[in-house]
Amino acid sequence: RKEVEQDPGPFNVPEGATVAFNCTYSNSASQSFFWYRQDCRKEPKLLMSVYSSGNEDGRFTAQLNRASQYISLLIRDSKLSDSATYLCVVNLPQAGTALIFGKGTTLSVSS
Amino acid sequence: GAGVSQSPRYKVAKRGQDVALRCDPISGHVSLFWYQQALGQGPEFLTYFQNEAQLDKSGLPSDRFFAERPEGSVSTLKIQRTQQEDSAVYLCASSLAGGYSSEAFFGQGTRLTVV
Repeated sequence: RKEVEQDPGPFNVPEGATVAFNCTYSNSASQSFFWYRQDCRKEPKLLMSVYSSGNEDGRFTAQLNRASQYISLLIRDSKLSDSATYLCVVNLPQAGTALIFGKGTTLSVSS
Repeated sequence: GAGVSQSPRYKVAKRGQDVALRCDPISGHVSLFWYQQALGQGPEFLTYFQNEAQLDKSGLPSDRFFAERPEGSVSTLKIQRTQQEDSAVYLCASSLAGGYSSEAFFGQGTRLTVV
């Protein structure tokens, strides 16, 4: 079983749509959770950290459910510029801060 | 520059050739990671350093892969006797501290093609 599993993509949505991505992780001892964004042929960049109480950054909302080992990312009012691959990321406790990435979910926003 | 720098950006190697990939992390960053990313996949963890200590190398796919960071700054990932399945983008990332919540900053990667 993979350490981090994400929704299979791609998600194709029109501008203005709300879209949600889900992710599950296998190691209950994981302490840190993130969403990274990766544009085509570019390096991953941090989108946002995910906190137990849930957190919001503009149009982006992240949620964490430790009991279910489940992480989500909600994007409201999608923009063309949101088109990218979204990577769910969890730390690997036995290696300190080594980050484990999911395979990613591709989002394509069209006009 | 202020970011993570990797070289070369592109490398074509003949099968069986040895290659060395270099990573210059952000100055002062304690943690350094190597990842392998195949087309259409997420980055796969290879190895992790805290300063010069290699704390985890569980992701290295075979004993042909070797990484070092002798002075706790620049790191080199070496692949011996390259095979076609080694073709991928190799990403290096660094983070400021060894704590759980440090953001990892990635370099642009080295795209390795083994022919």
